[in-house]
Amino acid sequence: DAGVIQSPRHEVTEMGQEVTLRCKPISGHDYLFWYRQTMMRGLELLIYFNNNVPIDDSGMPEDRFSAKMPNASFSTLKIQPSEPRDSAVYFCASKGGGQGHEQYFGPGTRLTVT
Amino acid sequence: GENVEQHPSTLSVQEGDSAVIKCTYSDSASNYFPWYKQELGKRPQLIIDIRSNVGEKKDQRIAVTLNKTAKHFSLHITETQPEDSAVYFCAASMNTGFQKLVFGTGTRLLVSP
Repeated sequence: DAGVIQSPRHEVTEMGQEVTLRCKPISGHDYLFWYRQTMMRGLELLIYFNNNVPIDDSGMPEDRFSAKMPNASFSTLKIQPSEPRDSAVYFCASKGGGQGHEQYFGPGTRLTVT
Repeated sequence: GENVEQHPSTLSVQEGDSAVIKCTYSDSASNYFPWYKQELGKRPQLIIDIRSNVGEKKDQRIAVTLNKTAKHFSLHITETQPEDSAVYFCAASMNTGFQKLVFGTGTRLLVSP
């Protein structure tokens, strides 16, 4: 398995532009997580899905952020409009059900908003 | 909600020494405590975890201890090697299926040869 796949790996955009980050979880995993990592705030959970349904979005910072999971193999995190304070590394992670507890992280997308 | 504090923020040791990283959590309902290692520019990866019904768990040079009464848990690395240099994150979860993790702020470990 290729692991969790994220695209793009790097994104540089101007303030006010729409940004879409993409994630493909590990096949067969039924949980998907979006995290944001910054020096100031560390690793924060933004939202997670179970079987494509959003379960907890309490970490989503504001209405400019939205996430979707239209099917079991694809999820997006959208920021509209983007602001410089959104600059961070965004990780997607997935986890299987049953007894396994490990969350497998993707390589991350480094977002820079100028 | 849950809050996880982690200390120290940086730790420098000589190769071969032991390293200890400590975390405290606030919610006594938390019952799952993983540790993730993140090398520079890479993704976090699980290195060891412990559930609240266990006091200690070992995996080769790595061990984790849990004190439920005091609400703290620690990562112990023995015989450190330069490749152990990384940022280590503790986390806590109280979901039934341990989905929602609250992470500590991380400890940057530097092992000097």
